[in-house]
Amino acid sequence: GAGVSQTPSNKVTEKGKYVELRCDPISGHTALYWYRQSLGQGPEFLIYFQGTGAADDSGLPNDRFFAVRPEGSVSTLKIQRTERGDSAVYLCASSPGTGVPYEQYFGPGTRLTVT
Amino acid sequence: TQLLEQSPQFLSIQEGENLTVYCNSSSVFSSLQWYRQEPGEGPVLLVTVVTGGEVKKLKRLTFQFGDARKDSSLHITAAQPGDTGLYLCAGVYSSASKIIFGSGTRLSIRP
Repeated sequence: GAGVSQTPSNKVTEKGKYVELRCDPISGHTALYWYRQSLGQGPEFLIYFQGTGAADDSGLPNDRFFAVRPEGSVSTLKIQRTERGDSAVYLCASSPGTGVPYEQYFGPGTRLTVT
Repeated sequence: TQLLEQSPQFLSIQEGENLTVYCNSSSVFSSLQWYRQEPGEGPVLLVTVVTGGEVKKLKRLTFQFGDARKDSSLHITAAQPGDTGLYLCAGVYSSASKIIFGSGTRLSIRP
């Protein structure tokens, strides 16, 4: 079956531009997570959705970052006025929300480079 | 700031040797997970430990959750080149809304 997919796989943008990163979770998974992973570090939590609502957005670093999941499936992470420090791999994960506690299935990530 | 500290950060050993990776925190978690990540891919869940003192074995991998549910260890017996990768521990809070990852241990097994 299809796993979590993320598009684009790579994104290069100039400082100050707006970018959107897309995540297609596993069908039927109610929970969706966004993480940011810098080189040599573990993933850093950004936001968690349960269905359509953001249940916990405490990891978003500032108001330039925003994420939506309007129909409870696909999610988009939006970054305004990008800065060089935003360069990282952005990972998306989905979870059934039941069963093995909080088992997450990760996508391959989007590598964002801000020049 | 990483709330979960992993040690060592890097480990390079010979095939056939044993190794242990540690994950420590001052926070109490409802459960703790271990993941393995390869370059260009997302992390893949290896195990979830839930009960303080719990030990789980997965072939040559043994995972232990500390009694106080603040720390964990991963022990690999007779390491093989296929074990190479980035090993991440992740603490799950009872609310399940946030999962905190450790800084990772990059493991390299020399043939």
